[in-house]
Amino acid sequence: NAGVTQTPKFRILKIGQSMTLQCTQDMNHNYMYWYRQDPGMGLKLIYYSVGAGITDKGEVPNGYNVSRSTTEDFPLRLELAAPSQTSVYFCASSYNRVSYEQYFGPGTRLTVT
Amino acid sequence: AQSVTQLDSQVPVFEEAPVELRCNYSSSVSVYLFWYVQYPNQGLQLLLKYLSGSTLVKGINGFEAEFNKSQTSFHLRKPSVHISDTAEYFCAVSDDDTDKLIFGTGTRLQVFP
Repeated sequence: NAGVTQTPKFRILKIGQSMTLQCTQDMNHNYMYWYRQDPGMGLKLIYYSVGAGITDKGEVPNGYNVSRSTTEDFPLRLELAAPSQTSVYFCASSYNRVSYEQYFGPGTRLTVT
Repeated sequence: AQSVTQLDSQVPVFEEAPVELRCNYSSSVSVYLFWYVQYPNQGLQLLLKYLSGSTLVKGINGFEAEFNKSQTSFHLRKPSVHISDTAEYFCAVSDDDTDKLIFGTGTRLQVFP
């Protein structure tokens, strides 16, 4: 099992550009999450999904969109990138509710200039 | 809403010394508590978790944590640290009213030879 995979590993965007961060898990997990990590701030939840076709906002959803058409994939879309979106983005998945362990991908380091 | 406080942003310690990383959470009737570790340039991985039962929880790499309901704490301990324990440690909390994990801001453990 590859676990949770994320692409790309690094990306530099210009202000106003758009991009999609890819996330795939092969553990047949129902729950998937997107977090951003900023220095000294811990992890903030952007969006999450409890199953295919179901998504919900987390703590910091503004400027992002998600979709969940399959159990395996949970892409994160950035529209009109802004410098405030410079961060490290982590995708995670879990079998069921948060009482189950979350498995994290290796992260995507995004810089918006 | 749940919240998590990690009072120490950095903890320096010499190799083979004991260490305690502190975590306090806001009160809840039923709470789930987690410690995750993040090695440099990697995603997070679960160290240990408390769901119910024994208040002393043992995890990987010789770490353990004690759930203290009266003090709303879940401190992480290791009796003798190694250089390889240098990493960032995150405390996280959830409960039955949410599908989400709330993370603390992290504690950077730096082990010196």
